[in-house]
Amino acid sequence: EAGVVQSPRYKIIEKKQPVAFWCNPISGHNTLYWYRQNLGQGPELLIRYENEEAVDDSQLPKDRFSAERLKGVDSTLKIQPAELGDSAVYLCASSLVSGGLQSGEQFFGPGTRLTVL
Amino acid sequence: AQSVTQLGSHVSVSEGALVLLRCNYSSSVPPYLFWYVQYPNQGLQLLLKYTSAATLVKGINGFEAEFKKSETSFHLTKPSAHMSDAAEYFCAVNGNEKLTFGTGTRLTIIP
Repeated sequence: EAGVVQSPRYKIIEKKQPVAFWCNPISGHNTLYWYRQNLGQGPELLIRYENEEAVDDSQLPKDRFSAERLKGVDSTLKIQPAELGDSAVYLCASSLVSGGLQSGEQFFGPGTRLTVL
Repeated sequence: AQSVTQLGSHVSVSEGALVLLRCNYSSSVPPYLFWYVQYPNQGLQLLLKYTSAATLVKGINGFEAEFKKSETSFHLTKPSAHMSDAAEYFCAVNGNEKLTFGTGTRLTIIP
């Protein structure tokens, strides 16, 4: 079974440029997460989707970040314009949630390492 | 609100020695607790999880963790360290449909 796929693996851009990350979750997983992991820190949730619906985007900086999950499968996270402080690893995860999240295991992709110059 | 605190951002142990990585949690609801491992340039992989069944949880690669409610702890242990255990380890708590991670502990194995 294929795991969570993310692309690109690495991205280097200049500040004020736009950038997009793509994620394909494990087949059949209805819940998808985007996390940001700063250097030396644990991942922090940016947004969570249940099927096509963004059910928790409270930590997403909406002035420059946007995300979509069309058809409830793969997802795209965009930053426009990028700032120096956006340099981080962006992780995508997916899980199969039924009747509650608490015990659900999240499966993580390898991440996209973004460097903003 | 929930949170986890990992004591020690860096831990070094000799090959064959006991591994002990500490995690304390805070949660307003009965917690579900996880340990994840992250190897360089890779995503996070689940080691084990506590979901209110047995308090001693066994995971992959010989790791185990014990849930102690009175101490609000969920420490990760392995009896004998291997070189392949060198990685970053994250404790996480899941409450109110949100997974919150600690800041991680980098484990170094000394040959």
